[in-house]
Amino acid sequence: QVTLRESGPALVKPTQTLTLTCTFSGFSLTSFGMRVSWIRQPPGKALEWLAFIDWDDDKYYSTSLKTRLTISKDTSKNQVVLTMTNMDPVDTATYYCALLRHPYNFFGPWGQGTLVTVSS
Amino acid sequence: QSALTQPPSASGSLGQSVTISCTGTTSDVGGYNYVSWYQQHAGKAPKLMIYEVNKRPSGVPDRFSGSKSGNTASLTVSGLQAEDEADYYCSSSAGSNSLYVFGTGTKVTVL
Repeated sequence: QVTLRESGPALVKPTQTLTLTCTFSGFSLTSFGMRVSWIRQPPGKALEWLAFIDWDDDKYYSTSLKTRLTISKDTSKNQVVLTMTNMDPVDTATYYCALLRHPYNFFGPWGQGTLVTVSS
Repeated sequence: QSALTQPPSASGSLGQSVTISCTGTTSDVGGYNYVSWYQQHAGKAPKLMIYEVNKRPSGVPDRFSGSKSGNTASLTVSGLQAEDEADYYCSSSAGSNSLYVFGTGTKVTVL
């Protein structure tokens, strides 16, 4: 059974760097075709795709946020880490990680999400 | 890359059908057969309901169906049940630049 779980700070200050961790089980990120993606959702608003990393350590980012995002993996810990620099109140959102498999182009399953609030 | 356009709300009576549209461009919905749909109940994570335009994952009732014509994809929920009341989001591949884009979301109300 595939499961994913996000963890990280609930509150960050403006200009700080956010670090989120996705801990997963039920698959290996070294297996061909496996990818883990990050998606966020501001309160009451739509989903927004952020980034993914794949089995071959290739990384892909949202064009609009590319300069602020870094995604990495630790296969020994079954974890994927997302960092976002220069946080702003508009970045307040629930951040989800989800499984994405090549050559498929859909997200699932998803973690339960973690709410990050940006405020001084 | 702009979000795909969905109507903010849709409704139907118990047992009736509701159809939600998802309009994009030739760079996303119209250019790929990689449209997926997600159901999100309040306070919960999204759940995959349809992938590759019209395929259902195992466990998703066949009341849920998808289709696409040109730059617009659609999700139809037939035989509406109370538990279908949720927000629904479409998503599409968007090429090598933006990769993935989501819709604006539709709140479905079961009357």
